[in-house]
Amino acid sequence: EIVMTQSPATLSVSPGERATLSCRASQSVSSNLAWYQQKPGQAPRLLIYGASTRATGIPARFSGSGSGTEFTLTISSLQSEDFAVYYCQQYNNWLAWTFGQGTKVEIK
Amino acid sequence: DVQLVETGGGLIQPGGSLRLSCAASGFTVSSNYMSWVRQAPGKGLEWVSVIYSGGSTYYADSVKGRFTISRDNSKNTLYLQMNSLRAEDTAVYYCARLIGYCSGGSCYLGYFDYWGQGTVVSVSS
Repeated sequence: EIVMTQSPATLSVSPGERATLSCRASQSVSSNLAWYQQKPGQAPRLLIYGASTRATGIPARFSGSGSGTEFTLTISSLQSEDFAVYYCQQYNNWLAWTFGQGTKVEIK
Repeated sequence: DVQLVETGGGLIQPGGSLRLSCAASGFTVSSNYMSWVRQAPGKGLEWVSVIYSGGSTYYADSVKGRFTISRDNSKNTLYLQMNSLRAEDTAVYYCARLIGYCSGGSCYLGYFDYWGQGTVVSVSS
């Protein structure tokens, strides 16, 4: 099983500031990585796939980068609606898709 | 618009059974890869099961032999039959569409592009 480790567990950021979230895979997943946003009581929402491709309707302030084992999700200027939990997910290992434990982005 | 609506969750005793349903609209379930993903209270996301468009089914080791994924094409609905339930199966269960795509001569499967709102399963005596 590929273990996905996200850091930090909680990120405190002021509105308008930049947020940088990290995701590390226990072995290479190439660029087969997705990011999701989840707000309390809601289903996850796809943000990024292929490590850097924004999903339909996702604002340009969300960007993804990385390959292999190290990945980053950057939110360039945090808006009030961006405070949520973010998960990474690898799909290099089919039939054993795994998610990170999440990073909570909270208001500083 | 694409919509997924799960139903069927509830409180069940250990060893019991439950069947979850996921009614889809805006696309055809049988033409897509469909999955169940669960989230235990306060925890992260865990993939549970997938059914391919061709009908093949696969499961996470944690539920293999106890859960069965299926679909009813006439109702455009996905199901998850859960037997021999355990306390550790307590979670919100989401159905989600799994996307496969090809790029640069290689094909990949998959990320989850649409999710339902979830249904709560609580296993407790």
